[in-house]
Amino acid sequence: KAGVTQTPRYLIKTRGQQVTLSCSPISGHRSVSWYQQTPGQGLQFLFEYFSETQRNKGNFPGRFSGRQFSNSRSEMNVSTLELGDSALYLCASTLKPGQGNTEAFFGQGTRLTVV
Amino acid sequence: KNQVEQSPQSLIILEGKNCTLQCNYTVSPFSNLRWYKQDTGRGPVSLTIMTFSENTKSNGRYTATLDADTKQSSLHITASQLSDSASYICVVSAGFSGGYNKLIFGAGTRLAVHP
Repeated sequence: KAGVTQTPRYLIKTRGQQVTLSCSPISGHRSVSWYQQTPGQGLQFLFEYFSETQRNKGNFPGRFSGRQFSNSRSEMNVSTLELGDSALYLCASTLKPGQGNTEAFFGQGTRLTVV
Repeated sequence: KNQVEQSPQSLIILEGKNCTLQCNYTVSPFSNLRWYKQDTGRGPVSLTIMTFSENTKSNGRYTATLDADTKQSSLHITASQLSDSASYICVVSAGFSGGYNKLIFGAGTRLAVHP
């Protein structure tokens, strides 16, 4: 079965702009979590969605937001981009909510560069 | 504070040699421990998942061990190959009330296998 699909793979934006990233989970998975990965920081949890509801949120400013649609696809949005937002953004899909309850399958990520 | 620490930060070995990566954690309550392999610019891929009662688990040339008493885990790679060059991330799942588990990520060990 198809894996987790993230689009786009690469993105270059200018400071102050906003960006929307997309994640399609594995078929049948209803939970999607988003992570930011920067060199030296490891993966930082952004938020998790299950059944179109945000279930948990990490310690990121309100410029980072997300949503989930009825088909479980999820989007995350970053407004007023800053240089420090340059990172690899990963999404992970799980069968059940709670990131650590079941095996998490990661997408290939979206590499965002803010100039 | 829930933390996962990995050592070494980076490692260079020659092709065909074995190596062991370490992971120490202070996560409570513990649910499970996972090792992921992440190729550069790609999403993490699960290698093993171990629960409290499991001491060792293998996946091909990868063998993970878990000592829940000392809160330590190791990942042993046998007969390394050039394709093993990647970051290896130790992730501990912490169980919270309501059955919602969070993932606590280590910073990873970057392994380079040279011919």
